[in-house]
Amino acid sequence: GDSVTQMEGPVTLSEEAFLTINCTYTATGYPSLFWYVQYPGEGLQLLLKATKADDKGSNKGFEATYRKETTSFHLEKGSVQVSDSAVYFCALSVVGSQGNLIFGKGTKLSVKP
Amino acid sequence: KAGVTQTPRYLIKTRGQQVTLSCSPISGHRSVSWYQQTPGQGLQFLFEYFSETQRNKGNFPGRFSGRQFSNSRSEMNVSTLELGDSALYLCASSRGTGGLSYEQYFGPGTRLTVT
Repeated sequence: GDSVTQMEGPVTLSEEAFLTINCTYTATGYPSLFWYVQYPGEGLQLLLKATKADDKGSNKGFEATYRKETTSFHLEKGSVQVSDSAVYFCALSVVGSQGNLIFGKGTKLSVKP
Repeated sequence: KAGVTQTPRYLIKTRGQQVTLSCSPISGHRSVSWYQQTPGQGLQFLFEYFSETQRNKGNFPGRFSGRQFSNSRSEMNVSTLELGDSALYLCASSRGTGGLSYEQYFGPGTRLTVT
């Protein structure tokens, strides 16, 4: 079945460091891919998305490129801030089941000043 | 525009009881999905409603049920609560369903604790 695998956390970085969180997927159809972020005590917020191969989603300095050949959607940011500390979830949805997001386990990011 | 609201935010129940959680979607959104979040299983899809009809259902026992009203508000019910039902229950709404551009917007969740 469809699934998402993302790197285990927690990830601890110093402010202004480069961030990469790996995400790979398995899908029977042609999925849309998402990154969501969850701050402590809150629900999920959509960070960025990509709906077809080679699309690059970007928001707030974060980027991810839909790589069909490697079935990957890695999240990157060039310079993290303390305020980026949160849990990041990679997710996919397939045509006909857009209301059903399949999530990875989440990666907790802590950024130290 | 107001976001997705969920009530109550926190709930403590005893094993064997039942519980009803409520979700009000963003105005104009007609699709509502429910998810369960636990430390062990992560985020798991429960069900999706669109125009008062259940469109998709996850792999949960029949104790978990839901419905959607004509104003798109949704409720989910869990009967005969078990300790393992303790979780954060998240509701998400979107304008529609069946198209790749429909983004889901999440509420803050209801934290259910079963003792």
